[in-house]
Amino acid sequence: GAVVSQHPSRVICKSGTSVKIECRSLDFQATTMFWYRQFPKQSLMLMATSNEGSKATYEQGVEKDKFLINHASLTLSTLTVTSAHPEDSSFYICSARPGVQETQYFGPGTRLLVL
Amino acid sequence: AQSVTQLGSHVSVSEGALVLLRCNYSSSVPPYLFWYVQYPNQGLQLLLKYTTGATLVKGINGFEAEFKKSETSFHLTKPSAHMSDAAEYFCAVSVGGGFKTIFGAGTRLFVKA
Repeated sequence: GAVVSQHPSRVICKSGTSVKIECRSLDFQATTMFWYRQFPKQSLMLMATSNEGSKATYEQGVEKDKFLINHASLTLSTLTVTSAHPEDSSFYICSARPGVQETQYFGPGTRLLVL
Repeated sequence: AQSVTQLGSHVSVSEGALVLLRCNYSSSVPPYLFWYVQYPNQGLQLLLKYTTGATLVKGINGFEAEFKKSETSFHLTKPSAHMSDAAEYFCAVSVGGGFKTIFGAGTRLFVKA
């Protein structure tokens, strides 16, 4: 149980294009989903917290107009990297929290490479 | 504000030896504490967690951790390392109703044959 999927697993795009990453909780309803970014050999940096049906809460320094987050249902959140640039290349990981549990379940991550 | 410090970015042990990964935290309120493992190009897998109650927590794959409030520590141990334990390990702390989680910098565990 408690499986989280991400799609795509890796994506290569040209600079200036937009990329959408999906995060799905497969066997539970996620009231809260989190989006993280991880640079090589570094820890996870929380980008934003999204609650179903409401606007995401972004961490300081994260551009909300560049990283659009939508949490339209209890099982799906999307992260759209708009007008991607090479510096946006990174490993993006989502996690989902069922109900009021303190535990997050992580997706397998999406490797984004912007050329 | 909460913070997590993992001592040692790299730890190397021989197969069969004790694994000890250190984690200290800072929190103004009782925290929830977690250890996660990450294999290359994968997401994080929960090893174990402490919320309340017994301070010695047992997790998957033979790992355990002890919450020591007086030392603000939550070190991860395993009696006997296996080659498959080689991975990146993250200690994390979360507080509050939103359960926003702060991760440590990570410790890469190398296991020598």
